[in-house]
Amino acid sequence: DQQVKQNSPSLSVQEGRISILNCDYTNSMFDYFLWYKKYPAEGPTFLISISSIKDKNEDGRFTVFLNKSAKHLSLHIVPSQPGDSAVYFCAASALNAGGTSYGKLTFGQGTILTVHP
Amino acid sequence: KAGVTQTPRYLIKTRGQQVTLSCSPISGHRSVSWYQQTPGQGLQFLFEYFSETQRNKGNFPGRFSGRQFSNSRSEMNVSTLELGDSALYLCASSHGQGIADTQYFGPGTRLTVL
Repeated sequence: DQQVKQNSPSLSVQEGRISILNCDYTNSMFDYFLWYKKYPAEGPTFLISISSIKDKNEDGRFTVFLNKSAKHLSLHIVPSQPGDSAVYFCAASALNAGGTSYGKLTFGQGTILTVHP
Repeated sequence: KAGVTQTPRYLIKTRGQQVTLSCSPISGHRSVSWYQQTPGQGLQFLFEYFSETQRNKGNFPGRFSGRQFSNSRSEMNVSTLELGDSALYLCASSHGQGIADTQYFGPGTRLTVL
């Protein structure tokens, strides 16, 4: 049962244009969402996050949108740069009864983003 | 501030052997989580330690174990290695408290089981 899904295995974008990466989730207990960027044989690099009390969070060229009713989040990269080419993972965590997420992130399968010069 | 470090970066073992991987968290972080990444299963949560106690565990067999020391450094052990244990093993550290608890990952240890 895949609780976090990234339905697009790959995305190709021209430099300077917008990249939109999508993620869907099924577990209504998820309340903190993160995006990571990953190169092969390296660890994921944290990009941006959003908690369930917000619907948008911006950090420079990166903006994450959360639609709780649709159980959907998206990452917008504007403008896209060739250096953004990597695998992007969305991840989600759920608070336990004690109010702390005990270290478990549930990841999507990733989307390979290629930005062409 | 130094990031999360993992040693060794690469390991080659044979079936039946055991292996120990090490992770040093970001200074001040008390939580260390471990993940396994394989092409077929993606990134899967193994377990999490906080203040030397395992607080959470994923769906992996008992051959996978870990521990955390008083300085928050953590080790992961896999006994009786199987071919399917070949993977990139990642650790991540965080404060381990609060709602917006962001995990920061190390570079990983690439384990190959022959």
